[in-house]
Amino acid sequence: DAGVIQSPRHEVTEMGQEVTLRCKPISGHNSLFWYRQTMMRGLELLIYFNNNVPIDDSGMPEDRFSAKMPNASFSTLKIQPSEPRDSAVYFCASSSAPGGNQPQHFGDGTRLSIL
Amino acid sequence: GQQVMQIPQYQHVQEGEDFTTYCNSSTTLSNIQWYKQRPGGHPVFLIQLVKSGEVKKQKRLTFQFGEAKKNSSLHITATQTTDVGTYFCAGPGGSNYQLIWGAGTKLIIKP
Repeated sequence: DAGVIQSPRHEVTEMGQEVTLRCKPISGHNSLFWYRQTMMRGLELLIYFNNNVPIDDSGMPEDRFSAKMPNASFSTLKIQPSEPRDSAVYFCASSSAPGGNQPQHFGDGTRLSIL
Repeated sequence: GQQVMQIPQYQHVQEGEDFTTYCNSSTTLSNIQWYKQRPGGHPVFLIQLVKSGEVKKQKRLTFQFGEAKKNSSLHITATQTTDVGTYFCAGPGGSNYQLIWGAGTKLIIKP
């Protein structure tokens, strides 16, 4: 069975550029999460979707970050304009139910470096 | 707000020694989940504990959920190099739609 698929695996770009991260959740999972992981701040929840609807985006750092889920099999996280402090590993995870009571399945992540 | 505290932050062990990480929640949890993240990898679900006082084993790994459902532990017997990584506990947030994550315990095998 295919797991959560993220692309790209690595992204290196200059500050000020737009960055788009992509995620395909596990088929049939209706909950999708975007996380950011850094050494300093650990694993942070950015936004949570349930049935393609954003439920909580309180973790999104600022207006430069936006996320969409146009359908059940695709989500994007966009940073515009990017800054060096956005450098981190970004994970997408999906779950078969609201994430608190069911396991979350993570993608391999996107390692983002903003120069 | 709700917090999940996990200790220690790091544990250095010789191969063959035991390892334990502890997790404490500020509130009662309906369940607790454990994940493992290998260096350079992503968190991978290990197990979910639901019942008060529950103990589950996976080979050399023993997971416990406290009687009050506010604390949990993971114990690894006779560590091997394949156990290296960071172990996270996580429990449902107040709204139950997200997980509140511990900071993780990094298991390091001494050369």
